[in-house]
Amino acid sequence: AQTVTQSQPEMSVQEAETVTLSCTYDTSESDYYLFWYKQPPSRQMILVIRQEAYKQQNATENRFSVNFQKAAKSFSLKISDSQLGDAAMYFCAYGGANSKLTFGKGITLSVRP
Amino acid sequence: KAGVTQTPRYLIKTRGQQVTLSCSPISGHRSVSWYQQTPGQGLQFLFEYFSETQRNKGNFPGRFSGRQFSNSRSEMNVSTLELGDSALYLCASSLSLAGTTDTQYFGPGTRLTVL
Repeated sequence: AQTVTQSQPEMSVQEAETVTLSCTYDTSESDYYLFWYKQPPSRQMILVIRQEAYKQQNATENRFSVNFQKAAKSFSLKISDSQLGDAAMYFCAYGGANSKLTFGKGITLSVRP
Repeated sequence: KAGVTQTPRYLIKTRGQQVTLSCSPISGHRSVSWYQQTPGQGLQFLFEYFSETQRNKGNFPGRFSGRQFSNSRSEMNVSTLELGDSALYLCASSLSLAGTTDTQYFGPGTRLTVL
């Protein structure tokens, strides 16, 4: 079975600074996808970024980028120029052949003005 | 294009009752998955439906069931409610078979409280 680990329950960042959220996973599959979802207080789960395991290039979406280390099974999210609206819970998720998403426990990110 | 919608947004039930939650996927999406979110267990996969057939099921008791209609709308039913069923129930839709790992887009959730 696949597992996703987010070991930091909380992080804080100063507005306009950069923060990195960590995630590790375990799988025996060779073809899979990794995701970061954001869940603000409204509880709406919003896709932040997606990475295909077969791609060596790290995904980027505006201020959000990932550091995907396949051999180390590590998938961290970097948020640049942090904004107050980035404050939320962030979930790392694994999607493999059996179609379901396996989520980490999440990390609460606060942004200090 | 409208996003995933879930109704109702909030529900309060008592133990022993049953409840039905509804999910309408993004137009054109054929796969619907359901997740339960609680503070203690986090996000857990319930089941996935594609073309009116359950393709995958998580580790939940038989009190949790679902179905999908020909228009891809899905319902989830919980019978004989227990206090531990209090949770946020999230529905997600994707374009095709999630086995291809299409991105899943989530609805706003239904907050179920069991008293």
